[in-house]
Amino acid sequence: GAGVSQSPRYKVAKRGQDVALRCDPISGHVSLFWYQQALGQGPEFLTYFQNEAQLDKSGLPSDRFFAERPEGSVSTLKIQRTQQEDSAVYLCASSRDIYQETQYFGPGTRLLVL
Amino acid sequence: KQEVTQIPAALSVPEGENLVLNCSFTDSAIYNLQWFRQDPGKGLTSLLLIQSSQREQTSGRLNASLDKSSGRSTLYIAASQPGDSATYLCAVPPFGNEKLTFGTGTRLTIIP
Repeated sequence: GAGVSQSPRYKVAKRGQDVALRCDPISGHVSLFWYQQALGQGPEFLTYFQNEAQLDKSGLPSDRFFAERPEGSVSTLKIQRTQQEDSAVYLCASSRDIYQETQYFGPGTRLLVL
Repeated sequence: KQEVTQIPAALSVPEGENLVLNCSFTDSAIYNLQWFRQDPGKGLTSLLLIQSSQREQTSGRLNASLDKSSGRSTLYIAASQPGDSATYLCAVPPFGNEKLTFGTGTRLTIIP
């Protein structure tokens, strides 16, 4: 079946622009995660949803970052007033239920802020 | 705060050799440990998940072990192939939470 998809795959933004990154999880997956991966580093947790509820947003680096999953399926990560340090790959993952299942990752969105 | 370390950062071995990748973590209160591979420009592919009550897990040429008390895991790859070239990442979620803490990865190159 279809895996996790993300769009756009690449995004170039001028400093100060707002961007929106989309994640389509595997159909029926309850849990959805966003991670940020800087060049040469492992992914770092940003936020986590269980259905439409955002249960953990402790990893969001500033109040410029906002995520939503209004109907418990598709999620959007929004970054306002982008800064150069926001340049990274943003990965989305989903898992089947809340019982510590394997997380399935999308291909990521590579964001470059100029 | 959980810290996950992977050594070495990069490894090159000739095709056909067996190899071991290492992962260590500071907080043993984990629910499971997961190994992923990441190919350049792509997302992560799950390889193995070891529950905290297990000692090892096998899939094909891959074998992962877990020693919670010492905070260590190893990924053993038998009879390496050029297609195994990728970055390998280990990750752990703490009890009561699903968010993963990742290591920085080991970049593996298999030389034909």
